[in-house]
Amino acid sequence: DAKTTQPNSMESNEEEPVHLPCNHSTISGTDYIHWYRQLPSQGPEYVIHGLTSNVNNRMASLAIAEDRKSSTLILHRATLRDAAVYYCILRDGSYDKVIFGPGTSLSVIP
Amino acid sequence: KAGVTQTPRYLIKTRGQQVTLSCSPISGHRSVSWYQQTPGQGLQFLFEYFSETQRNKGNFPGRFSGRQFSNSRSEMNVSTLELGDSALYLCASSLGYGGETEAFFGQGTRLTVV
Repeated sequence: DAKTTQPNSMESNEEEPVHLPCNHSTISGTDYIHWYRQLPSQGPEYVIHGLTSNVNNRMASLAIAEDRKSSTLILHRATLRDAAVYYCILRDGSYDKVIFGPGTSLSVIP
Repeated sequence: KAGVTQTPRYLIKTRGQQVTLSCSPISGHRSVSWYQQTPGQGLQFLFEYFSETQRNKGNFPGRFSGRQFSNSRSEMNVSTLELGDSALYLCASSLGYGGETEAFFGQGTRLTVV
């Protein structure tokens, strides 16, 4: 089964960009890369997802390596509200499996 | 529009009992998936339903089961509860199933087994 690896924790200064990495070296061609974040005592919140091309939305950008073995979630200007655990998730397009990464705990320093 | 609603929010059960958790998806969403979250194991996928059919299943024992009704509401059941079943159970809904669509999560049901 494909697995993802993420750093356990990261820190960022407020209003600076944050790059959250995720490795998924055994990703299959039908796996979509999803990112979710979770604040304490809340359910995960969708951030962004993609298959092969880089993606942008109002919350963040997703940069996917050409070989798809890694990806980076980019928060363009970190705010205190961005402090959360960020999960990199592989979701198989053929619906066979859902695999979670360990998550990165992001701290934002004022 | 209303989000994903999970009931109850908190539950305390005794070992050996069974429990049923409920999830009401966002209106129009036909896919519902369930997850278990524990401090030791993190987020683990339980199963996913689409149009009343189980489409995906995680690596959990048969004591964990679920179903989806024609209105897309879903329930999960855990029989013969064990202490290790204490966890936050999360439900998510999406328009479709699989990797193409985003999922919207509920606040979860906190189950404590004593």
